[in-house]
Order: sequence, then C-alpha cells, then structure tokens
Amino acid sequence: DAKTTQPPSMDCAEGRAANLPCNHSTISGNEYVYWYRQIHSQGPQYIIHGLKNNETNEMASLIITEDRKSSTLILPHATLRDTAVYYCIVRVAQEAAGNKLTFGGGTRVLVKP
Amino acid sequence: NAGVTQTPKFRILKIGQSMTLQCTQDMNHNYMYWYRQDPGMGLKLIYYSVGAGITDKGEVPNGYNVSRSTTEDFPLRLELAAPSQTSVYFCASSYGLRANYGYTFGSGTRLTVV
Repeated sequence: DAKTTQPPSMDCAEGRAANLPCNHSTISGNEYVYWYRQIHSQGPQYIIHGLKNNETNEMASLIITEDRKSSTLILPHATLRDTAVYYCIVRVAQEAAGNKLTFGGGTRVLVKP
Repeated sequence: NAGVTQTPKFRILKIGQSMTLQCTQDMNHNYMYWYRQDPGMGLKLIYYSVGAGITDKGEVPNGYNVSRSTTEDFPLRLELAAPSQTSVYFCASSYGLRANYGYTFGSGTRLTVV
C-alpha cells in the first residue's frame, strides 16, 4: 500500500472550515484514500473514503486531485468536538490483503474557540 | 446492536503473567483485527482474521496469539507479559473486502505491564 504524508499538527478556529492535506504521490490506480479520526484515545472512527471522484457525506468532504497524488479532507464547520488525530490511509481493497489498514502518525487537529 | 465490545477496559499485569483480551462483534462482520497503540504513536496491526478458523500475522505479532472459532469472537492472548507490551489495544471489524466497508473499532483495552 502507498505511504502517506501528513502535517503533524494544525490548529483551526471553531466554526471555520478545516482543510487537512495528505500527500500520497506513489498511489496506484486501484488504491483508495481513506480518512479516519481518533478522539482522545478512543477507537478510530471512519470518516470518508474515495477513489478518484470527490466525495461528501454528513461528516466531511474529500477532494482528490486529478493526478490522485494528494487529497484534502474538509470539515466544513469545525466544532470543538472535532479536535482529534486525523489519519489519511491509502490501500487496495483485495481479499489477499485482508482489507488491512496501515496507520501512520496522522495530523493532530486542535479546534480553538 | 452493540458494535465491537472489548473487555476488560483496563488491566495491570505483572511481568510473566498471561491474559486474554476479549473482543466480540454483533454485526456479522467477516473480518476482524487487533491493533496496538503506544503513547503518541499510530496504530500497528498485530493479527487479523478474514473468517472463522482463519488468522494471519500483522506487523507486530511477536508475543501474541489469536484464535477465531466463531464469527463473533476474536480473543488476543498474551502468554508471557513484558513491559514492552504496555499499550492500548484496539479490536476492529469490517464486513468484507469491498472498498466501502469501513472499520468499526472497539473502545480499547489499556494494558500496563509492571
């Protein structure tokens, strides 16, 4: 699975959009981009995923560049409860790989009042 | 629907003791996983299972054993506890191999070996 690069930390203001970047320059054509977050040592929580099209759900939006070498997770209106570590993960969905996720260091996001 | 349930939530072990971390899910998920997370670090995969009777090693399997006798349960066994196994352990499950099946994680077991 391709490796990802994320900034170690970032701050954002409550009520504003939070844009979390992720670089995955070695991504293959059949690899998906996933985002998870972990709030204060709880179990990680699935946020969103995508292959090449932009995706949106009730939690966030995922913007993937046309060359697929980077992506941005957007939290449209950050709240204090969005303070967490956010993980960008790239993987292939195939049975031989056991659907495994490999977690890097993530980005520690602090939402400030 | 409880999701993924882990027990115990906290445990202190002495060096050389053994214990089993329990994990059960009620979502009829085929895939189950055990991760450990050391302080300030990301999660590392210990073992995983793609179905009852099938298990395989992850990135850091040494010192651990698993079994998968049912779809619901995936216990993790520590035979001879060592201080290096002090960590938070997370169990997770997933329905299958399709890309849109995200993981569901349990709330974790915090283990200290002294």
